[in-house]
Amino acid sequence: EAQVTQNPRYLITVTGKKLTVTCSQNMNHEYMSWYRQDPGLGLRQIYYSMNVEVTDKGDVPEGYKVSRKEKRNFPLILESPSPNQTSLYFCASSLIQGERAGELFFGEGSRLTVL
Amino acid sequence: AQKVTQAQTEISVVEKEDVTLDCVYETRDTTYYLFWYKQPPSGELVFLIRRNSFDEQNEISGRYSWNFQKSTSSFNFTITASQVVDSAVYFCALYSGNTPLVFGKGTRLSVIA
Repeated sequence: EAQVTQNPRYLITVTGKKLTVTCSQNMNHEYMSWYRQDPGLGLRQIYYSMNVEVTDKGDVPEGYKVSRKEKRNFPLILESPSPNQTSLYFCASSLIQGERAGELFFGEGSRLTVL
Repeated sequence: AQKVTQAQTEISVVEKEDVTLDCVYETRDTTYYLFWYKQPPSGELVFLIRRNSFDEQNEISGRYSWNFQKSTSSFNFTITASQVVDSAVYFCALYSGNTPLVFGKGTRLSVIA
């Protein structure tokens, strides 16, 4: 089954404790992206990657890191989480060419609370 | 720069009413793709439709229809005979291949029984 899997789905942590949210897709998609969703602000892009070893900042990259060492994985790293990073996070992937270019497949979301 | 505007933040309708969600986009690219996604209260994001810039035919899928007009840079979404299960946040999005996909801020639709 084609899917994007992100873990953990729910996490409560404390300020400053490094954490990683994993994201994996099984569709051989070139493009992967992380979004955060906050009330009234819609989906804001954190980082994206057009292919292996290629990453770029989105609209709200501060406080986050990513890596793309393999095509299928795109982890989101919070080196020193702060309460303003409490949010719902989505990972997504898509093809960048062809009939389904740009059609994002989303993970189920990871709800993060930083105390 | 790419931009998607969903001017309606929230809409409430009574069940069985028709409702149209507006989406206006900006792009300088001649080839681009437009999308609608649905986010029900359960939180997942569900793909609804993809349209490329060369195909201005309107699309109908059951109670859903989409009106794409390049002249006004709009890609509006109409739900006919709305139902409570249509209650969700709906996002319009734009992709051109040169830049990442851009989302509008979403429209929250509440359908009241």
